[in-house]
Amino acid sequence: NAGVTQTPKFQVLKTGQSMTLQCAQDMNHNSMYWYRQDPGMGLRLIYYSASEGTTDKGEVPNGYNVSRLNKREFSLRLESAAPSQTSVYFCASRFGTDYNEQFFGPGTRLTVL
Amino acid sequence: GQQLNQSPQSMFIQEGEDVSMNCTSSSIFNTWLWYKQDPGEGPVLLIALYKAGELTSNGRLTAQFGITRKDSFLNISASIPSDVGIYFCAGENTGNQFYFGTGTSLTVIP
Repeated sequence: NAGVTQTPKFQVLKTGQSMTLQCAQDMNHNSMYWYRQDPGMGLRLIYYSASEGTTDKGEVPNGYNVSRLNKREFSLRLESAAPSQTSVYFCASRFGTDYNEQFFGPGTRLTVL
Repeated sequence: GQQLNQSPQSMFIQEGEDVSMNCTSSSIFNTWLWYKQDPGEGPVLLIALYKAGELTSNGRLTAQFGITRKDSFLNISASIPSDVGIYFCAGENTGNQFYFGTGTSLTVIP
């Protein structure tokens, strides 16, 4: 099992460009999450999907959109990137709510110039 | 958003010493979690706590869920070089929302 995979690992964008961060998990998990991590700060939840077909906003959703393409895949889209979105983005998944561990991917380092 | 205050921010200790770090919140959580993050990787769960007052161990790690449900601590006994990393606390409410602390950076000097 690969666990949680993320692509790309690194990306540099210019202000105003768009891009989609991909996340996939092969653990048959129902819930998936997108976080951002900024220097000196903990992870902040952007969006999550409790189950296939549903998505909900987290703590910092502005400037992002998500798609739960199927049970395995959960993508994060930046429509018009801004320098404030420079961050490391982590995807995570877990089987369900209650008493289940979140497994994290290796992260995507995004720089917006 | 809900703030989790984690302290200390950083620690430099000698190999073999014990470590203690804690996390406090202005809000109540139903679950407290402790993660470790190595450079360039995602966080890995160390301990999960589900009941107020619960004390749980995982090898040399011990964590407690505070009675008020607004705090938690993590202890590491007899530290070793591979304990180096950033430790994060996290709280979960009902509704799938996780909130993370700002992290404690641990350096173990051999």
